[in-house]
Amino acid sequence: EAQVTQNPRYLITVTGKKLTVTCSQNMNHEYMSWYRQDPGLGLRQIYYSMNVEVTDKGDVPEGYKVSRKEKRNFPLILESPSPNQTSLYFCASRKNRDYEYGYTFGSGTRLTVV
Amino acid sequence: SQQGEEDPQALSIQEGENATMNCSYKTSINNLQWYRQNSGRGLVHLILIRSNEREKHSGRLRVTLDTSKKSSSLLITASRAADTASYFCARAQGGKLIFGQGTELSVKP
Repeated sequence: EAQVTQNPRYLITVTGKKLTVTCSQNMNHEYMSWYRQDPGLGLRQIYYSMNVEVTDKGDVPEGYKVSRKEKRNFPLILESPSPNQTSLYFCASRKNRDYEYGYTFGSGTRLTVV
Repeated sequence: SQQGEEDPQALSIQEGENATMNCSYKTSINNLQWYRQNSGRGLVHLILIRSNEREKHSGRLRVTLDTSKKSSSLLITASRAADTASYFCARAQGGKLIFGQGTELSVKP
């Protein structure tokens, strides 16, 4: 089944403790992206990657890092999480940078930073 | 804000009725996409309409696009309880895909 797999689904952590949210897709998609979703603010793009070893900042990149060493994986790293990073996070992929293709989204990771 | 305006913010209807959601935006677009999100889950791509198209159908979904008015609408016909979800428009512009705030649809059996 074609899908984007995120792990974990739920995570509670403490301020300052580094964490990684994994994302993997099995569709050979070139383009991958991370979004966060917050009430009243909608979906905001954190980082995106057009292909292996090519990443770029989205609208809200502060406090996050990403890497794209393999086509299928696009982990999101929070080096020193803070409470304002409590949010619902989504990884998404699409065939390539062409916007003629829709996104396939993962199921989400609900992160709470205390 | 770069995000488009969707209205209504919330819509409650009875099963079998039609549901219409609207999306407006401010600058020119390449295409406009509609997504559905069940509570707390990932978004699911429903339909994409290109800037040179005026109307598109997919099953019970009908999407229209009026580039002169910078607006789009999503019509769900003969709604079902399973259609209960949030619906988002997303517009491709300037190399980005920008999501609206969404419409929460509740379909009562």
